[in-house]
Amino acid sequence: AQRVTQPEKLLSVFKGAPVELKCNYSYSGSPELFWYVQYSRQRLQLLLRHISRESIKGFTADLNKGETSFHLKKPFAQEEDSAMYYCALLYNQGGKLIFGQGTELSVKP
Amino acid sequence: SAVISQKPSRDICQRGTSLTIQCQVDSQVTMMFWYRQQPGQSLTLIATANQGSEATYESGFVIDKFPISRPNLTFSTLTVSNMSPEDSSIYLCSVEKVISRGYYEQYFGPGTRLTVT
Repeated sequence: AQRVTQPEKLLSVFKGAPVELKCNYSYSGSPELFWYVQYSRQRLQLLLRHISRESIKGFTADLNKGETSFHLKKPFAQEEDSAMYYCALLYNQGGKLIFGQGTELSVKP
Repeated sequence: SAVISQKPSRDICQRGTSLTIQCQVDSQVTMMFWYRQQPGQSLTLIATANQGSEATYESGFVIDKFPISRPNLTFSTLTVSNMSPEDSSIYLCSVEKVISRGYYEQYFGPGTRLTVT
């Protein structure tokens, strides 16, 4: 069965430190993965998708099919990165998303 | 992009009653979805709201409990029927838009925070 796992509920780092938010997935087909972010009092929004291979706000994520992972990384965390981050898997086409449990990132000054 | 509004933004309801949540999009979209986010949990897809036909429900969700309407390409409603405290959640509407060929993006509404007492 398809599943998305984010093992850390809370990740706390200091400003300027590297950050890695872990995401593992289980899916029998060809996965299409996303990272969504929700800043305080804002709605959920797309941060990046694996097929774009882009860097958004300094964040990158590489799909590793061997390890079935899609970890989100940033070399130098900023206080404004503090938010809730969700990894999501698109399944069965038609826009259906399975979300991980979410990781709250807290960047301390 | 797509701008999505939901009404109400929050409500406190008594058990046994029903609440209808509205979702309005600022442009026509093919795909509209309803998600639920229970306290401390992640988002779970309830159903796909299909224009002109019955909604498609995910496992564990049924039409009698969560009837959905989709009268046109910019509007949908989700009703939470015969509510119990376990229905206390944030309910989110989302839409999928084509960005470019082969690229889609999902946009989410602000959510409706429902508390059932």
